[in-house]
Amino acid sequence: RKEVEQDPGPFNVPEGATVAFNCTYSNSASQSFFWYRQDCRKEPKLLMSVYSSGNEDGRFTAQLNRASQYISLLIRDSKLSDSATYLCVVRPRSGDKLTFGTGTRLAVRP
Amino acid sequence: GAVVSQHPSWVICKSGTSVKIECRSLDFQATTMFWYRQFPKQSLMLMATSNEGSKATYEQGVEKDKFLINHASLTLSTLTVTSAHPEDSSFYICSASGQGLDTQYFGPGTRLTVL
Repeated sequence: RKEVEQDPGPFNVPEGATVAFNCTYSNSASQSFFWYRQDCRKEPKLLMSVYSSGNEDGRFTAQLNRASQYISLLIRDSKLSDSATYLCVVRPRSGDKLTFGTGTRLAVRP
Repeated sequence: GAVVSQHPSWVICKSGTSVKIECRSLDFQATTMFWYRQFPKQSLMLMATSNEGSKATYEQGVEKDKFLINHASLTLSTLTVTSAHPEDSSFYICSASGQGLDTQYFGPGTRLTVL
Protein backbone atom coordinates (compact mmCIF):
# COMPACT_ATOMS: atom_id res chain seq x y z
CA ARG A 1 0.00 0.00 0.00
CA LYS A 2 1.33 3.43 -0.90
CA GLU A 3 2.11 5.76 1.99
CA VAL A 4 -0.02 8.52 0.47
CA GLU A 5 -2.77 7.72 -2.02
CA GLN A 6 -4.63 10.07 -4.28
CA ASP A 7 -6.99 9.69 -7.20
CA PRO A 8 -4.85 10.77 -10.19
CA GLY A 9 -7.83 12.21 -12.04
CA PRO A 10 -7.98 14.13 -14.26
CA PHE A 11 -10.87 16.12 -12.91
CA ASN A 12 -12.30 18.15 -15.75
CA VAL A 13 -14.66 20.85 -14.47
CA PRO A 14 -16.21 24.07 -15.81
CA GLU A 15 -15.29 27.46 -14.44
CA GLY A 16 -17.22 28.24 -11.30
CA ALA A 17 -17.59 24.62 -10.25
CA THR A 18 -16.78 23.24 -6.84
CA VAL A 19 -14.37 20.33 -6.81
CA ALA A 20 -13.06 18.14 -4.00
CA PHE A 21 -9.93 16.03 -3.82
CA ASN A 22 -9.31 13.28 -1.32
CA CYS A 23 -6.18 11.70 0.01
CA THR A 24 -5.46 8.86 2.43
CA TYR A 25 -2.26 8.14 4.30
CA SER A 26 -1.01 4.95 5.88
CA ASN A 27 1.25 6.16 8.71
CA SER A 28 -0.95 6.87 11.72
CA ALA A 29 1.98 8.65 13.40
CA SER A 30 1.95 11.39 10.76
CA GLN A 31 1.82 14.82 12.31
CA SER A 32 1.90 17.39 9.54
CA PHE A 33 -0.15 17.61 6.40
CA PHE A 34 -0.03 19.88 3.41
CA TRP A 35 -1.46 20.49 -0.01
CA TYR A 36 1.01 21.59 -2.67
CA ARG A 37 0.20 22.68 -6.18
CA GLN A 38 2.41 21.83 -9.14
CA ASP A 39 2.00 23.38 -12.56
CA CYS A 40 3.26 21.60 -15.65
CA ARG A 41 7.07 21.57 -15.77
CA LYS A 42 7.33 23.67 -12.61
CA GLU A 43 8.25 23.06 -9.00
CA PRO A 44 5.66 22.27 -6.30
CA LYS A 45 4.43 25.27 -4.38
CA LEU A 46 2.84 25.19 -0.96
CA LEU A 47 -0.88 25.82 -1.25
CA MET A 48 -1.83 25.38 2.37
CA SER A 49 -1.12 23.46 5.53
CA VAL A 50 -3.88 21.24 6.86
CA TYR A 51 -4.87 21.55 10.50
CA SER A 52 -6.89 19.18 12.65
CA SER A 53 -9.70 21.69 13.03
CA GLY A 54 -9.87 22.29 9.31
CA ASN A 55 -8.83 25.53 7.69
CA GLU A 56 -9.84 27.82 4.90
CA ASP A 57 -7.90 30.17 2.66
CA GLY A 58 -10.14 32.08 0.30
CA ARG A 59 -11.74 29.59 -2.08
CA PHE A 60 -9.75 26.68 -0.66
CA THR A 61 -10.78 24.58 2.32
CA ALA A 62 -8.70 21.75 3.74
CA GLN A 63 -9.85 19.16 6.24
CA LEU A 64 -8.16 16.40 8.17
CA ASN A 65 -9.73 13.30 9.66
CA ARG A 66 -7.09 11.61 11.79
CA ALA A 67 -9.31 8.68 12.74
CA SER A 68 -9.81 7.77 9.08
CA GLN A 69 -6.35 8.98 8.03
CA TYR A 70 -7.98 11.09 5.37
CA ILE A 71 -7.29 14.58 4.05
CA SER A 72 -9.42 16.63 1.69
CA LEU A 73 -9.15 19.79 -0.35
CA LEU A 74 -12.21 21.69 -1.56
CA ILE A 75 -11.95 24.34 -4.24
CA ARG A 76 -14.95 26.60 -4.69
CA ASP A 77 -15.70 28.80 -7.70
CA SER A 78 -12.96 27.20 -9.82
CA LYS A 79 -10.87 29.49 -12.01
CA LEU A 80 -9.00 28.61 -15.17
CA SER A 81 -5.81 29.38 -13.25
CA ASP A 82 -6.60 26.58 -10.79
CA SER A 83 -5.69 24.04 -13.47
CA ALA A 84 -2.71 22.16 -12.06
CA THR A 85 -1.75 18.99 -10.22
CA TYR A 86 -2.55 19.00 -6.53
CA LEU A 87 -0.19 17.05 -4.31
CA CYS A 88 -1.18 15.65 -0.94
CA VAL A 89 1.85 15.70 1.36
CA VAL A 90 2.40 14.08 4.74
CA ARG A 91 5.22 14.30 7.27
CA PRO A 92 5.65 12.00 10.31
CA ARG A 93 7.14 14.65 12.54
CA SER A 94 8.91 17.98 12.40
CA GLY A 95 12.12 17.83 10.42
CA ASP A 96 11.30 14.55 8.75
CA LYS A 97 11.17 14.18 5.02
CA LEU A 98 7.92 14.78 3.23
CA THR A 99 6.00 11.98 1.58
CA PHE A 100 4.19 13.01 -1.58
CA GLY A 101 1.14 11.53 -3.17
CA THR A 102 1.23 11.08 -6.92
CA GLY A 103 -1.05 14.07 -7.35
CA THR A 104 -4.52 14.76 -8.67
CA ARG A 105 -4.75 16.61 -11.93
CA LEU A 106 -7.36 19.33 -12.28
CA ALA A 107 -8.37 20.89 -15.58
CA VAL A 108 -10.79 23.83 -15.41
CA ARG A 109 -12.45 24.60 -18.73
CA PRO A 110 -14.07 27.88 -19.85
CA GLY B 1 7.30 32.62 2.24
CA ALA B 2 10.85 31.34 2.03
CA VAL B 3 12.64 31.69 -1.29
CA VAL B 4 14.85 29.04 -2.84
CA SER B 5 16.75 29.50 -6.06
CA GLN B 6 18.27 26.89 -8.31
CA HIS B 7 20.84 27.20 -11.06
CA PRO B 8 20.92 26.43 -13.90
CA SER B 9 17.26 26.20 -14.84
CA TRP B 10 18.09 23.89 -17.71
CA VAL B 11 21.15 22.18 -19.06
CA ILE B 12 21.93 20.04 -22.07
CA CYS B 13 25.11 18.00 -22.00
CA LYS B 14 26.83 15.15 -23.75
CA SER B 15 26.86 11.67 -22.32
CA GLY B 16 29.79 11.13 -19.96
CA THR B 17 30.08 14.70 -18.72
CA SER B 18 29.37 15.87 -15.18
CA VAL B 19 26.79 18.48 -14.34
CA LYS B 20 26.61 20.58 -11.17
CA ILE B 21 23.34 22.03 -9.94
CA GLU B 22 23.25 24.69 -7.23
CA CYS B 23 20.47 25.25 -4.73
CA ARG B 24 20.40 28.38 -2.58
CA SER B 25 18.13 29.58 0.18
CA LEU B 26 17.87 33.34 -0.33
CA ASP B 27 16.16 34.65 2.78
CA PHE B 28 16.64 31.97 5.41
CA GLN B 29 19.20 29.54 6.71
CA ALA B 30 18.54 26.08 5.36
CA THR B 31 19.55 23.56 7.97
CA THR B 32 18.28 20.76 5.75
CA MET B 33 18.13 20.54 1.98
CA PHE B 34 16.50 17.85 -0.07
CA TRP B 35 17.10 16.76 -3.65
CA TYR B 36 14.30 15.27 -5.73
CA ARG B 37 13.99 13.93 -9.22
CA GLN B 38 10.84 13.86 -11.28
CA PHE B 39 10.33 12.01 -14.55
CA PRO B 40 7.53 13.06 -16.92
CA LYS B 41 4.07 12.36 -15.56
CA GLN B 42 5.47 10.80 -12.41
CA SER B 43 5.57 11.98 -8.83
CA LEU B 44 8.57 13.52 -7.10
CA MET B 45 11.08 11.01 -5.86
CA LEU B 46 13.36 11.95 -3.01
CA MET B 47 16.98 11.24 -3.85
CA ALA B 48 18.78 12.44 -0.74
CA THR B 49 18.63 14.59 2.35
CA SER B 50 21.52 16.76 3.42
CA ASN B 51 22.16 18.62 6.62
CA GLU B 52 24.66 21.46 6.67
CA GLY B 53 28.12 20.19 7.42
CA SER B 54 27.15 16.52 7.29
CA LYS B 55 27.22 13.80 4.70
CA ALA B 56 24.02 13.39 2.74
CA THR B 57 21.62 10.54 3.42
CA TYR B 58 20.65 8.82 0.21
CA GLU B 59 17.39 7.02 -0.49
CA GLN B 60 17.45 3.38 -1.39
CA GLY B 61 18.48 2.84 -4.98
CA VAL B 62 20.21 6.19 -5.41
CA GLU B 63 23.92 5.85 -6.15
CA LYS B 64 25.85 8.18 -3.88
CA ASP B 65 28.94 8.02 -6.08
CA LYS B 66 26.95 9.12 -9.09
CA PHE B 67 24.95 11.87 -7.41
CA LEU B 68 27.38 13.83 -5.28
CA ILE B 69 25.82 16.18 -2.79
CA ASN B 70 27.58 18.91 -0.89
CA HIS B 71 25.93 21.13 1.72
CA ALA B 72 28.83 23.27 2.83
CA SER B 73 26.91 26.26 4.11
CA LEU B 74 23.51 27.12 5.49
CA THR B 75 22.49 28.70 2.20
CA LEU B 76 24.01 26.47 -0.45
CA SER B 77 23.80 22.86 -1.49
CA THR B 78 25.06 21.37 -4.73
CA LEU B 79 24.18 18.22 -6.62
CA THR B 80 26.69 16.90 -9.12
CA VAL B 81 25.54 14.29 -11.59
CA THR B 82 28.75 12.52 -12.52
CA SER B 83 29.25 10.83 -15.89
CA ALA B 84 25.71 11.63 -16.92
CA HIS B 85 23.87 9.29 -19.28
CA PRO B 86 20.63 9.75 -21.21
CA GLU B 87 18.68 7.88 -18.53
CA ASP B 88 19.69 10.60 -16.06
CA SER B 89 17.68 13.11 -18.08
CA SER B 90 15.05 14.39 -15.69
CA PHE B 91 13.73 17.36 -13.73
CA TYR B 92 15.86 17.85 -10.62
CA ILE B 93 14.34 19.90 -7.84
CA CYS B 94 15.82 20.95 -4.53
CA SER B 95 13.95 22.02 -1.47
CA ALA B 96 15.01 23.51 1.82
CA SER B 97 13.75 23.74 5.35
CA GLY B 98 14.99 25.74 8.27
CA GLN B 99 14.28 26.87 11.78
CA GLY B 100 10.85 28.39 12.12
CA LEU B 101 9.62 27.02 8.82
CA ASP B 102 6.72 24.63 8.91
CA THR B 103 7.57 22.77 5.72
CA GLN B 104 9.95 22.56 2.77
CA TYR B 105 10.16 25.22 0.10
CA PHE B 106 11.16 24.27 -3.40
CA GLY B 107 13.55 25.73 -5.90
CA PRO B 108 12.32 26.20 -9.49
CA GLY B 109 14.02 23.03 -10.67
CA THR B 110 16.68 22.16 -13.23
CA ARG B 111 15.77 20.34 -16.39
CA LEU B 112 18.66 18.10 -17.40
CA THR B 113 18.88 16.61 -20.87
CA VAL B 114 21.75 14.24 -21.60
CA LEU B 115 22.36 13.56 -25.26
